[in-house]
Amino acid sequence: EAAVTQSPRNKVAVTGGKVTLSCNQTNNHNNMYWYRQDTGHGLRLIHYSYGAGSTEKGDIPDGYKASRPSQENFSLILELATPSQTSVYFCASGGDWGGYEQYFGPGTRLTVL
Amino acid sequence: GQQVQQSPASLVLQEGENAELQCNFSSTATRLQWFYQRPGGSLVSLLSNPSGTKHTGRLTSTTVTKERRGSLHISSSQITDSGTYLCAKSNTGYQNFYFGKGTSLTVIP
Repeated sequence: EAAVTQSPRNKVAVTGGKVTLSCNQTNNHNNMYWYRQDTGHGLRLIHYSYGAGSTEKGDIPDGYKASRPSQENFSLILELATPSQTSVYFCASGGDWGGYEQYFGPGTRLTVL
Repeated sequence: GQQVQQSPASLVLQEGENAELQCNFSSTATRLQWFYQRPGGSLVSLLSNPSGTKHTGRLTSTTVTKERRGSLHISSSQITDSGTYLCAKSNTGYQNFYFGKGTSLTVIP
């Protein structure tokens, strides 16, 4: 069964530390996405990718990097974590051109102290 | 901009009543996709259609792209329908989605 998984599911980090959130999909989708969800803001797109080796900036990329080493894996990297990055992060994969449907992972709750 | 507005922000129904959730967007869209989210949970895709009407179970999604609006109808609501319903749109030529802030639905006995 097609699925999107994320690790870790919960993370507590210290200010200034490096955090890596990982996402794996078995949907064989070319497109993958990272969002954060905050009360009052809804879901906002951080980075996305159209395939292995590609990363693109979304609406709120500042303070985040992304890496897509393979079709299945897409990582979100916080080089210097700040308390404002405390949030719930969702990864999603999406169908190809004309498909336009997204499938979400379970989310990662990140707390930066 | 890519603004997506959902209404109402919250809704309380008695079990068995019908719900009508609205989604309006400020620029053209290729497709609307509706998601369901439980508190603390992930997003589950409900329906996705570029235009017209689509049904699954007790859910009906209607998208009128030219008028920049869509709706999700839930018939015979059940307590387990409680949660947040999110509308997302994608644009012609792009594969990214823009989300509304959701409608919080509470179904009471």
